[in-house]
Amino acid sequence: QKEVEQDPGPLSVPEGAIVSLNCTYSNSAFQYFMWYRQYSRKGPELLMYTYSSGNKEDGRFTAQVDKSSKYISLFIRDSQPSDSATYLCAMSEVFSGGYNKLIFGAGTRLAVHP
Amino acid sequence: GAVVSQHPSRVICKSGTSVKIECRSLDFQATTMFWYRQFPKQSLMLMATSNEGSKATYEQGVEKDKFLINHASLTLSTLTVTSAHPEDSSFYICSAREQGLARETQYFGPGTRLLVL
Repeated sequence: QKEVEQDPGPLSVPEGAIVSLNCTYSNSAFQYFMWYRQYSRKGPELLMYTYSSGNKEDGRFTAQVDKSSKYISLFIRDSQPSDSATYLCAMSEVFSGGYNKLIFGAGTRLAVHP
Repeated sequence: GAVVSQHPSRVICKSGTSVKIECRSLDFQATTMFWYRQFPKQSLMLMATSNEGSKATYEQGVEKDKFLINHASLTLSTLTVTSAHPEDSSFYICSAREQGLARETQYFGPGTRLLVL
């Protein structure tokens, strides 16, 4: 079983739709949760970063973490064609005095059509 | 802020040659840099972690003699693929963690596409 599971899609939605992207994980030690957006042939771009459970909103994006269910979500409101990309969830444990290794999901390919 | 660059963006080489990829943090100092490999339609796989002034830490299954990493300064890390073979063809991405900020945040470079013929 992978540490982080993410449906690779593709997910196709019409412009203006609300998009829900999800990841599940098995390691209860994960404390930090991130969402990255990756356009084709580009490096990932950090979208959202959350610590522990709860919601975080930034413009059209809302990140949600439910540690009891080991489930995280990213919601995109009023989706635009420019949101078409691969969305990667990533998470890490807390290390003392060192670096945090990020564990990535497989990425979900999203296509928003006009 | 938090811009990471990579050079070259794309390289094509013959089998058996060595290829060096540079990763630079342009507007911040990075005590730690990470090297990932990404195959088509797959997620990022961490290859190694490099800390400025010390030896890199390689992930299980990654050959340290084949993928040489040098983190000579707080703004530069290099990955050298030695004696590259076609199976090394991939998208190589570096990331950097900014010194003093949340340890969990990594900023990624644009990636280097390597094709070994």
